[in-house]
Amino acid sequence: TAGITQAPTSQILAAGRSMTLRCTQDMRHNAMYWYRQDLGLGLRLIHYSNTAGTTGKGEVPDGYSVSRANTDDFPLTLASAVPSQTSVYFCASSDGAGGNQPQHFGDGTRLSIL
Amino acid sequence: AQKVTQAQTEISVVEKEDVTLDCVYETRDTTYYLFWYKQPPSGELVFLIRRNSFDEQNEISGRYSWNFQKSTSSFNFTITASQVVDSAVYFCALRTFSGGYNKLIFGAGTRLAVHP
Repeated sequence: TAGITQAPTSQILAAGRSMTLRCTQDMRHNAMYWYRQDLGLGLRLIHYSNTAGTTGKGEVPDGYSVSRANTDDFPLTLASAVPSQTSVYFCASSDGAGGNQPQHFGDGTRLSIL
Repeated sequence: AQKVTQAQTEISVVEKEDVTLDCVYETRDTTYYLFWYKQPPSGELVFLIRRNSFDEQNEISGRYSWNFQKSTSSFNFTITASQVVDSAVYFCALRTFSGGYNKLIFGAGTRLAVHP
């Protein structure tokens, strides 16, 4: 079972360039999330989407944008990358935004901004 | 303030030892959920357990057990007879309802190294 697929697995990007991280889930989960993981800080929420057609800002949304055109896809875009966006990015989904369902995570995208 | 504290940054044990990973949380919500996730060296995040604020029963799953105590705002995780495959970073997380979304607040994680 695929679950959540993230692409690319890793990427090196020059500062100032744009980049879209892809996330696709096949579980028909309503809610999806993007986190960044930084050493000593755990995971921090960037953006979320409770259902297709809606998005919202998390803890650290600056410099990132998302869209949710359908249930399965939730791409994360860096319009003009900066070195502080070097991180590991995780996409997650949950079956419902208001319940107690756990979030299921993809394998992550390791992004280095030079 | 909503916060999760995992005071142990790294723990090193020898195989077959028991080990407890501490998690202390802060929230003013009366309804909340607590989670533990495992992140092995391969990098993926694996869901281990969920506990709601109204259920203080301890839970045991094989070598894993969890002790939830509202009085001390703690949700500790114990691995009995640890194995090398238990080596990973373990995250405790608090789920609150603030902001109208499924907000997971993670601790900084505890890196567990189990040596043969």
